[in-house]
Amino acid sequence: NAGVTQTPKFQVLKTGQSMTLQCAQDMNHNSMYWYRQDPGMGLRLIYYSASEGTTDKGEVPNGYNVSRLNKREFSLRLESAAPSQTSVYFCASSEGSGGSGANVLTFGAGSRLTVL
Amino acid sequence: DAKTTQPTSMDCAEGRAANLPCNHSTISGNEYVYWYRQIHSQGPQYIIHGLKNNETNEMASLIITEDRKSSTLILPHATLRDTAVYYCIVRPGVLRTYKYIFGTGTRLKVLA
Repeated sequence: NAGVTQTPKFQVLKTGQSMTLQCAQDMNHNSMYWYRQDPGMGLRLIYYSASEGTTDKGEVPNGYNVSRLNKREFSLRLESAAPSQTSVYFCASSEGSGGSGANVLTFGAGSRLTVL
Repeated sequence: DAKTTQPTSMDCAEGRAANLPCNHSTISGNEYVYWYRQIHSQGPQYIIHGLKNNETNEMASLIITEDRKSSTLILPHATLRDTAVYYCIVRPGVLRTYKYIFGTGTRLKVLA
């Protein structure tokens, strides 16, 4: 069972370039999330998708777009990368269907992005 | 959403119990306490969660005070591999809520 898989693991961009971070989960989870973590900081929620076909903004959505492609996949797109978006990006998923374990998050290994 | 307060950092001797406190004085009746940890720069890992009763699993124990305004995560025999940042979060457990907000956590260093 792979859990949550993120690609790529590392990426270097120049200011103004665009790219998409991919995330896929194989746990049949309903909800998926994108977080960013800057050095020495906690995680901040960028966007989340409660279920297939829905997406909502988190704490820091500016400069990002997301797509919930299907139940398994949730992508994060940077249309015009800026140095302030240099960070480690984590994708997560949760069952989201009720029960006390519904909101337990499973995280991917992270994608380290550097914008020059 | 209930806010949590955790110490910035703690040290613990290897083999001893690590007790990590968390204050959540504004917790609502339907909110659970969740604990995660992040080792180095890996993705955070779920540890345990509870509502009002104490909980124990293979990783840790969670002690929640009777008034539910604070809790303690206990790692019974800390090892060097438990050195990590530990996050305490309060969220509704049974409702479909999605804004899962992490703070800055407690940096636990286990000393040899």
